[in-house]
Amino acid sequence: DQQVKQNSPSLSVQEGRISILNCDYTNSMFDYFLWYKKYPAEGPTFLISISSIKDKNEDGRFTVFLNKSAKHLSLHIVPSQPGDSAVYFCAASARGNDMRFGAGTRLTVKP
Amino acid sequence: DSGVTQTPKHLITATGQRVTLRCSPRSGDLSVYWYQQSLDQGLQFLIQYYNGEERAKGNILERFSAQQFPDLHSELNLSSLELGDSALYFCASTRGDFVYNEQFFGPGTRLTVL
Repeated sequence: DQQVKQNSPSLSVQEGRISILNCDYTNSMFDYFLWYKKYPAEGPTFLISISSIKDKNEDGRFTVFLNKSAKHLSLHIVPSQPGDSAVYFCAASARGNDMRFGAGTRLTVKP
Repeated sequence: DSGVTQTPKHLITATGQRVTLRCSPRSGDLSVYWYQQSLDQGLQFLIQYYNGEERAKGNILERFSAQQFPDLHSELNLSSLELGDSALYFCASTRGDFVYNEQFFGPGTRLTVL
């Protein structure tokens, strides 16, 4: 059961522009959402998170938006840099229990 | 470096065999989580242990089992291996029992079943 979906397997943007990665979920019990970044041959690393009581969380160039009514979250990266090229996973958990991950979106930032 | 170590890095074995993957969490972390990532798939949560006890179970097959030892390292045992078990297996750790904070992931073990 795909409770967390990332419908775009890949995204390509120009350096300096905005990257927008999207994620949809089906389980209304999810109350905590995270984004992870993964480089080849490494484990995922945490990027940013948001609780369901908020609709926005910002950390430097990274902002996560949560739209609970649409069961949708997005990660904005501004400005995008070549070093941001990686696979991005969105993840969700309900009451702190097991984490559900999306299939990932491969972001390529072109110089 | 996340502080989570996994061994071995690569494992090649044959169908029907049994293997053991090992994970050492970050110092002070009590929870260990196991994930499977098959080709072009997201991370599938398998199982969580907290301070030696099983805490949550995800999509873990009956042929797979895990345990967490008193020194908090964990092992994932995969038996009667099938071709479809070929995947990257990640372990992650957190300080507490609940996943309200970031998980720290190890570099993964790549399992190839021939």
